[in-house]
Amino acid sequence: SQQGEEDPQALSIQEGENATMNCSYKTSINNLQWYRQNSGRGLVHLILIRSNEREKHSGRLRVTLDTSKKSSSLLITASRAADTASYFCATDAGAQKLVFGQGTRLTINP
Amino acid sequence: GAGVSQSPSNKVTEKGKDVELRCDPISGHTALYWYRQSLGQGLEFLIYFQGNSAPDKSGLPSDRFSAERTGGSVSTLTIQRTQQEDSAVYLCASSLVISGNTIYFGEGSWLTVV
Repeated sequence: SQQGEEDPQALSIQEGENATMNCSYKTSINNLQWYRQNSGRGLVHLILIRSNEREKHSGRLRVTLDTSKKSSSLLITASRAADTASYFCATDAGAQKLVFGQGTRLTINP
Repeated sequence: GAGVSQSPSNKVTEKGKDVELRCDPISGHTALYWYRQSLGQGLEFLIYFQGNSAPDKSGLPSDRFSAERTGGSVSTLTIQRTQQEDSAVYLCASSLVISGNTIYFGEGSWLTVV
């Protein structure tokens, strides 16, 4: 069964707006990672947040982690057309493999 | 090489034929993963190799699927007697075996079974 579940499945916003995507998971984790995928090909790592961290920033990206609710959010500020992609969360539960969610398809309209 | 390399990038095969997909990980990465992604879906874990340890095959969907990793580097995913439901992108990734490490993906092999 999937560990991570992203919400919403699809999101369409105007350029310049902020985009927020959520991820929920089921078991205890060591860390949670967010990846981006363009055009159904290879995924690119965006950011990793450890289980003892609550918030992390990288450029226009802000990730939060709430281990009590088993959830994470990815915020992209001041969105650009080039941010159009699918975004996946992946959880590391210590089994040396990442388990991915179904992803959020983000569309930024010019 | 600089990144994870996969071949072929696209493969069309007839139902019932066997296919082999190749992955060349980043030099020095001892962990190698195979994932499968159907159109518009998330990534489904297939198999994980780490160094000389026994691979974690828990994600392989049937005994038609197998994978090997020779010399701790290149890996081959083999699908025997392909079925139409095997059509998907097969993604390979590698990482250093450090807890919390990023994994790096190849561009994938798009398999179409007709």
